[in-house]
Amino acid sequence: GAVVSQHPSRVICKSGTSVKIECRSLDFQATTMFWYRQFPKQSLMLMATSNEGSKATYEQGVEKDKFLINHASLTLSTLTVTSAHPEDSSFYICSARGRRDSYNSPLHFGNGTRLTVT
Amino acid sequence: QKEVEQNSGPLSVPEGAIASLNCTYSDRGSQSFFWYRQYSGKSPELIMFIYSNGDKEDGRFTAQLNKASQYVSLLIRDSQPSDSATYLCAVNFYGNQFYFGTGTSLTVIP
Repeated sequence: GAVVSQHPSRVICKSGTSVKIECRSLDFQATTMFWYRQFPKQSLMLMATSNEGSKATYEQGVEKDKFLINHASLTLSTLTVTSAHPEDSSFYICSARGRRDSYNSPLHFGNGTRLTVT
Repeated sequence: QKEVEQNSGPLSVPEGAIASLNCTYSDRGSQSFFWYRQYSGKSPELIMFIYSNGDKEDGRFTAQLNKASQYVSLLIRDSQPSDSATYLCAVNFYGNQFYFGTGTSLTVIP
């Protein structure tokens, strides 16, 4: 149980275009979704936290107009990287928690999306 | 961002030895603590979690938590080459804020 599907796994786009990454909870209702970014040989950096039906809460230094997060349903959250630039190339990972998760429960991770901006 | 620090490594141990990984965190409001293993290009995999002071054992892995010292560690006994990976400490602040440490790269030498 607690499967999170992330799509696409890899995407290459040209500078200036927008890319959408989807994160779906397949067998549970994801009340909270977390989006992380990971640069090579660095740890996961929390970008934003979103609760279903609410606006995402962005971490300091993350541009909310550039990284659009939508969590319109209990099974789907999307991250759109707008006007992507080469410095946005990174590994993006979503994770989720459900209604039945307690504060001690671990995160359920998607498989990540490798974004390359040329 | 909340502060979660790990000894950066890289850490190398011979096969069969004990690997010790350490993590400190900045906020006393932290509620639960997780150890993840991450292979290159993959998402983190949960190893174990702990939220009470003391030790928690799961097979070859033992997590140790000391909230007074704001310190959590992971011991890997009988290390195997397949344990070679980056180990991430994650801290859950106030119930719904997860932050990760910088990660420690572990290499187990056959």
